Amino acid sequence: NAGVMQNPRHLVRRRGQEARLRCSPMKGHSHVYWYRQLPEEGLKFMVYLQKENIIDESGMPKERFSAEFPKEGPSILRIQQVVRGDSAAYFCASSPGNSGSRETQYFGPGTRLLVL
Amino acid sequence: AQKVTQAQTEISVVEKEDVTLDCVYETRDTTYYLFWYKQPPSGELVFLIRRNSFDEQNEISGRYSWNFQKSTSSFNFTITASQVVDSAVYFCALSEYSGAGSYQLTFGKGTKLSVIP
Repeated sequence: NAGVMQNPRHLVRRRGQEARLRCSPMKGHSHVYWYRQLPEEGLKFMVYLQKENIIDESGMPKERFSAEFPKEGPSILRIQQVVRGDSAAYFCASSPGNSGSRETQYFGPGTRLLVL
Repeated sequence: AQKVTQAQTEISVVEKEDVTLDCVYETRDTTYYLFWYKQPPSGELVFLIRRNSFDEQNEISGRYSWNFQKSTSSFNFTITASQVVDSAVYFCALSEYSGAGSYQLTFGKGTKLSVIP
């Protein structure tokens, strides 16, 4: 499968627990984006990363949320001390990173987080 | 700030009918990109098309066609002879420089299309 991979596809957490969402970009892609789809709000940008660098985190909540894209391995979106309002679908997208910044972003299947 | 408006929240059509999904955008940039994505009931987001602001040619791909009109800031999407498999939520999106180092996508709220057999 050459597409963007996300796991887990579904994640259930109790309030106060941590959630870790993983994203493996398409083969050959070095740019990763995270978006959140909240009910009634649509898809919103959270963060843009390149290998080992956070480029733009202007859409990320200031507390409890963090993201990384290490030299080796998948990108991780981490949510600490989850609350019910964090329940949403989290999508990862990737782009090649070799033809300018307006490249098409290809999305993964998403992780559905449910906080009980 | 950029904005994307999809005024149609839900549309239902009977199979084989044509349907047009509207998208209107606002931007201050002279250079920008527009996209359409499809989200079927299974939940993934599927890329359909990308257009840049300098190319106003209409595009046709099979049963899909797109009408980009810069003068009215619209980028409408038409499905000809709709099929049940076209049932999905369709998102229009605008790519514009964020000012913080990225060309993030701003999405409309989506139009849910139901094609009835």
